[in-house]
Amino acid sequence: GAGVSQTPSNKVTEKGKYVELRCDPISGHTALYWYRQSLGQGPEFLIYFQGTGAADDSGLPNDRFFAVRPEGSVSTLKIQRTERGDSAVYLCASSPGRRNSPLHFGNGTRLTVT
Amino acid sequence: KQEVTQIPAALSVPEGENLVLNCSFTDSAIYNLQWFRQDPGKGLTSLLLIQSSQREQTSGRLNASLDKSSGRSTLYIAASQPGDSATYLCAVRRESGGSNYKLTFGKGTLLTVNP
Repeated sequence: GAGVSQTPSNKVTEKGKYVELRCDPISGHTALYWYRQSLGQGPEFLIYFQGTGAADDSGLPNDRFFAVRPEGSVSTLKIQRTERGDSAVYLCASSPGRRNSPLHFGNGTRLTVT
Repeated sequence: KQEVTQIPAALSVPEGENLVLNCSFTDSAIYNLQWFRQDPGKGLTSLLLIQSSQREQTSGRLNASLDKSSGRSTLYIAASQPGDSATYLCAVRRESGGSNYKLTFGKGTLLTVNP
């Protein structure tokens, strides 16, 4: 079956612009996570959805970052007034929502802010 | 705050060699530990997941061990192959209650297996 799909795979934008990154989780997975991975670092947690609600958004760096999952499936990470420091790979992961289930990651969106 | 450290940061070995990657974590109150593989420009592929009550897990040429009390895990790769070249990441899931199963990752070990 299909894995986690993220689009676009690459995004280049100018400083100050708005961007949206999309994640299609594995069908039936109730839990969805966004992580950010900077060069040479491990992924860092941004936000977690259980169903439609953001159960934990403690990893979002500031109020320029926002994410939604209106129907409990596809999620969109939105970044306003992008800054060069936002450049990173944004990874999405999903799981069935059980505690001992491994996470399944997408290939990520590489965001470059010029 | 949980911190995960992976040693070494990079490792280069000849094909056929057995090798060990190390992972340590500061807070032993974990629910499970997961090892991932990441190829350049790709996402993460789960290799092994060890529950906190387990000591080790095996899959093919891979064996992961967990010593929860000392905050350590190792990933053993037997008879390494050039196709094993990738970055290997260790991640822990906290034990506390609730449904948030977020992971804390190390920075990874970049493995190169030379033909």
